Amino acid sequence: GIQVEQSPPDLILQEGANSTLRCNFSDSVNNLQWFHQNPWGQLINLFYIPSGTKQNGRLSATTVATERYSLLYISSSQTTDSGVYFCAVANTDKLIFGTGTRLQVFP
Amino acid sequence: GAGVSQSPRYKVAKRGQDVALRCDPISGHVSLFWYQQALGQGPEFLTYFQNEAQLDKSGLPSDRFFAERPEGSVSTLKIQRTQQEDSAVYLCASSLGRGPAGYTFGSGTRLTVV
Repeated sequence: GIQVEQSPPDLILQEGANSTLRCNFSDSVNNLQWFHQNPWGQLINLFYIPSGTKQNGRLSATTVATERYSLLYISSSQTTDSGVYFCAVANTDKLIFGTGTRLQVFP
Repeated sequence: GAGVSQSPRYKVAKRGQDVALRCDPISGHVSLFWYQQALGQGPEFLTYFQNEAQLDKSGLPSDRFFAERPEGSVSTLKIQRTQQEDSAVYLCASSLGRGPAGYTFGSGTRLTVV
């Protein structure tokens, strides 16, 4: 099956800093999504981005499908950005999740 | 409803007890998925429905796990004779189209087997 690797595993930032999270995957995919899991466990869909670039406020994402990676950019981080960020991919009916990047933002 | 609703939010079961977890998907969503998330891990696929048809159950860990969606809307995940290793958060997600494009997840049910 598809392997999904995320880096870094842990990230500690001060409020206002920028960061880049990376997702590498091992096979062609027709779906890639970035999720934020908040400290209460809720998974929030950030981007559906099998290819190209999207932006939503302070967040943006880029997927280069031919090179099998995706990047999530967080600018001007806030304490509410804390949580775990998951990349998930699919080439069939099911999403395969990476192990996540745990982000902590301190004031 | 506005989102995917799961109940109960928390469930404590004694080892050997049967449990049933409910998922109400977004109205009109064709696809429904169940995932299991162990502590500190990413969610792992359990099973997938398209309307009432269970198209993929390859992720169910044993024959103690059973899922149904009889009318193509609400789904129930049943675990028989629960064991400690079943302790996890069970997440339900739904999608408007076929396949996983644009999933919306529920808040999950946290199952603790004691």
